[in-house]
Amino acid sequence: SQTIHQWPATLVQPVGSPLSLECTVEGTSNPNLYWYRQAAGRGLQLLFYSVGIGQISSEVPQNLSASRPQDRQFILSSKKLLLSDSGFYLCAWSNNSPLHFGNGTRLTVT
Amino acid sequence: AQSVSQHNHHVILSEAASLELGCNYSYGGTVNLFWYVQYPGQHLQLLLKYFSGDPLVKGIKGFEAEFIKSKFSFNLRKPSVQWSDTAEYFCAVSPPETGKLIFGQGTTLQVKP
Repeated sequence: SQTIHQWPATLVQPVGSPLSLECTVEGTSNPNLYWYRQAAGRGLQLLFYSVGIGQISSEVPQNLSASRPQDRQFILSSKKLLLSDSGFYLCAWSNNSPLHFGNGTRLTVT
Repeated sequence: AQSVSQHNHHVILSEAASLELGCNYSYGGTVNLFWYVQYPGQHLQLLLKYFSGDPLVKGIKGFEAEFIKSKFSFNLRKPSVQWSDTAEYFCAVSPPETGKLIFGQGTTLQVKP
């Protein structure tokens, strides 16, 4: 069966520090991979999605970037965090099917 | 650009009341449609989906949704809500050829016992 792992679960980082959130999927090949941010009162915002290794589409201009170094690995990064980057980040995968979500990462930028 | 609009941000109902949550999308082509639910302290999970066929879709826990193509709508309904339906509900749209899933801003449903 397929599983998705996302870590860490919670993270507190100071403004200006770098960020790296990792997501891996097991049990499937060539999935579509997604990074979402869930902010209070704003719902789920699609940040990045990838249909293959090295293929990243950015949905909103921002301080974050994403990379897909391997077929089932998706990384969300920032060189310098802003206060406004605080939120709940969700990784997800699909294979022309409904999304399957990871457990999420609660990021607090202080 | 594609977008999804959920009209109700916060809904408060008493148990046994009927529920209808609105969802409209803007996209001119064929779409797959979804409703997701997030119960307090839990992860997002799929409630129901529509890909093709009968526009009235039945999901888990007595929920259903109707796809009305002419209105670009996919409203979620339940005849009689329970306290355990208290959660946040997200409508989502996916044009099959893009691989993207676009979410609405969510509706918080609070059911009073």
